[in-house]
Amino acid sequence: LAKTTQPISMDSYEGQEVNITCSHNNIATNDYITWYQQFPSQGPRFIIQGYKTKVTNEVASLFIPADRKSSTLSLPRVSLSDTAVYYCLVGDLYNTDKLIFGTGTRLQVFP
Amino acid sequence: KAGVTQTPRYLIKTRGQQVTLSCSPISGHRSVSWYQQTPGQGLQFLFEYFSETQRNKGNFPGRFSGRQFSNSRSEMNVSTLELGDSALYLCASSTRGAGEIGGAFFGQGTRLTVV
Repeated sequence: LAKTTQPISMDSYEGQEVNITCSHNNIATNDYITWYQQFPSQGPRFIIQGYKTKVTNEVASLFIPADRKSSTLSLPRVSLSDTAVYYCLVGDLYNTDKLIFGTGTRLQVFP
Repeated sequence: KAGVTQTPRYLIKTRGQQVTLSCSPISGHRSVSWYQQTPGQGLQFLFEYFSETQRNKGNFPGRFSGRQFSNSRSEMNVSTLELGDSALYLCASSTRGAGEIGGAFFGQGTRLTVV
């Protein structure tokens, strides 16, 4: 599984767009990029997953450049409830639940 | 449908004892995995089961073990508890793997405190 690097922490204000970038230089051909969100004392929650270009759902967008060595999670118009830790994971997860979590990015949203 | 259910939610044990944690996956899910989360080490993969067979195992001592039953419910056991085993233990489930749409679904966890 490819190692990922993301900022330790980020601050934002309500209503702003937040972009969290993840670096994964050793991503393999079969690897997908997945993001999870975790609130204190709760299990992580799947946000979005992609392979290349751009993926969008009702919660976030995921931008992946052509070389796939990095990815950016975009949260539009964050609110206080988006304060959480965000994890970027890279791997071929088709037949496994073995998720290798890094340190994640602690996002703090201020009013 | 009901989410992943972990029992108990909180547990206090004494050093040297053993403990069994339970996880009921989402109905229809056959893959169950376990994670340990501590402030120092973060989220670490323990093991995963699929159709009653251990599919992957993390880098934890043999004191940590698990099993999965025919109804996909899973248990993990920690023997000879140490203070460092105090952690939030999380269970996740999926139909086949975390790469499918929606990823792996996590439970609320069991908070284990070893005194």
